[in-house]
Amino acid sequence: DGGITQSPKYLFRKEGQNVTLSCEQNLNHDAMYWYRQDPGQGLRLIYYSQIVNDFQKGDIAEGYSVSREKKESFPLTVTSAQKNPTAFYLCASSPRTSGNTIYFGEGSWLTVV
Amino acid sequence: GQQVMQIPQYQHVQEGEDFTTYCNSSTTLSNIQWYKQRPGGHPVFLIQLVKSGEVKKQKRLTFQFGEAKKNSSLHITATQTTDVGTYFCARVGTNAGKSTFGDGTTLTVKP
Repeated sequence: DGGITQSPKYLFRKEGQNVTLSCEQNLNHDAMYWYRQDPGQGLRLIYYSQIVNDFQKGDIAEGYSVSREKKESFPLTVTSAQKNPTAFYLCASSPRTSGNTIYFGEGSWLTVV
Repeated sequence: GQQVMQIPQYQHVQEGEDFTTYCNSSTTLSNIQWYKQRPGGHPVFLIQLVKSGEVKKQKRLTFQFGEAKKNSSLHITATQTTDVGTYFCARVGTNAGKSTFGDGTTLTVKP
């Protein structure tokens, strides 16, 4: 099946640890995104990438890092510098950069313990 | 950055009642998209509107784009329990990073 796969679905992290969330898509989409969603709130853009080996900061990039070494993959690292990382993280992709549907993965729940 | 504002934030209805959520922008929108996120799920694309005054229907859902392209609405007729979730509008920009989502309207339906 075509789609976006995020893993893990649930993750617990100790304070001070970095953690990497995986995102893979087989839709052949150029653009990929990472959003953060806090309970009862909207979607905030962390990072996005329009092409391989290139990415830009979104609205809340501090404490996060990404890479885009392959078209299919856009992993997100939540670093220890992120002060409040507990949230629902959504990876997404879209076929082109302008006005196209954004497809979301099923999300990853990160809890800091 | 350019934002889209959604109202109301929450809406509780009795099954069978109608429901409307509104999306407003201070600037002209080139397009507006609507997404639905079921509880515990991920947002799923519903529809895109691009023309001034455009109206599109999907069964009991009616989507409108304002004449000035600064607002949009989603109306659900005779809500059902399957309609529960959060409805987001989104302004999809000219490049990937310029897309902006509203904060969503969360609909609960009482059987």
